[in-house]
Amino acid sequence: EAQVTQNPRYLITVTGKKLTVTCSQNMNHEYMSWYRQDPGLGLRQIYYSMNVEVTDKGDVPEGYKVSRKEKRNFPLILESPSPNQTSLYFCASSFQAGTQPQHFGDGTRLSIL
Amino acid sequence: GENVEQHPSTLSVQEGDSAVIKCTYSDSASNYFPWYKQELGKGPQLIIDIRSNVGEKKDQRIAVTLNKTAKHFSLHITETQPEDSAVYFCAATSLKTSYDKVIFGPGTSLSVIP
Repeated sequence: EAQVTQNPRYLITVTGKKLTVTCSQNMNHEYMSWYRQDPGLGLRQIYYSMNVEVTDKGDVPEGYKVSRKEKRNFPLILESPSPNQTSLYFCASSFQAGTQPQHFGDGTRLSIL
Repeated sequence: GENVEQHPSTLSVQEGDSAVIKCTYSDSASNYFPWYKQELGKGPQLIIDIRSNVGEKKDQRIAVTLNKTAKHFSLHITETQPEDSAVYFCAATSLKTSYDKVIFGPGTSLSVIP
C-alpha cells in the first residue's frame, strides 16, 4: 500500500530537548516536504527536498533542520525545541517537484512544555 | 506575498443539503487548484483538483468550479452525508518543471448533521 509514515504520532517533551520526527515514503517519490498546521493558519511549509541531498527552506524554517540522505526518508529535527513549536506536523511527498498531488502522512502532534 | 483565502471557516448543514466552500487566490500564475479533506486524526487527502484550462470538474457528489478572471474557485458537495464531516483545505500552485510552492487556505470545518 502506498503510504507516507510518520513517527511518533504524539510526543510531549520539554524545552531544549532535541527531538527527531521521522518520515518515510514507499512510493519512490523524489519530492518530500514538511508542514506545520496551526488553527486558522492552514498548512505552512517548513522545509522541502527535491531529491537526495537537496533540501531548501519553506515559509517557516526557523528552529528546524532536515536531512535527505536516502530517497525514502526525510526526518525533521528540532535541535532545541521551544513552546512555539507546539503544533501538528505533516510530512508529504509527490512524484517530483512541480507535480501534484501530494500524499500526506497522518501527522505528528508535538507538545513542547 | 501569495495567499489563499477560504470561507467560511466553519459550516454546518443538514444531511442531504448541499455545502459550498469558496476560495480566492492572489497569484495570477497559479494554474492548479487541489482540494484536500482532512478527517480527524488523519492527514489531508486529495478529493478533487482542477487545472486552469478547465472551468468545472465533477466527481460524483463533488464538483469544483474555477473563475480565473476573478481568481475564485469553489468546492460544491451535494447530498451531504455524515461521513462528509471533516476539515477541507483548498490550495493553489503552478505546475512547472521546477518547484513551486503550494499555498493552502486556512481550512473549513464542515459538520453534516444527521
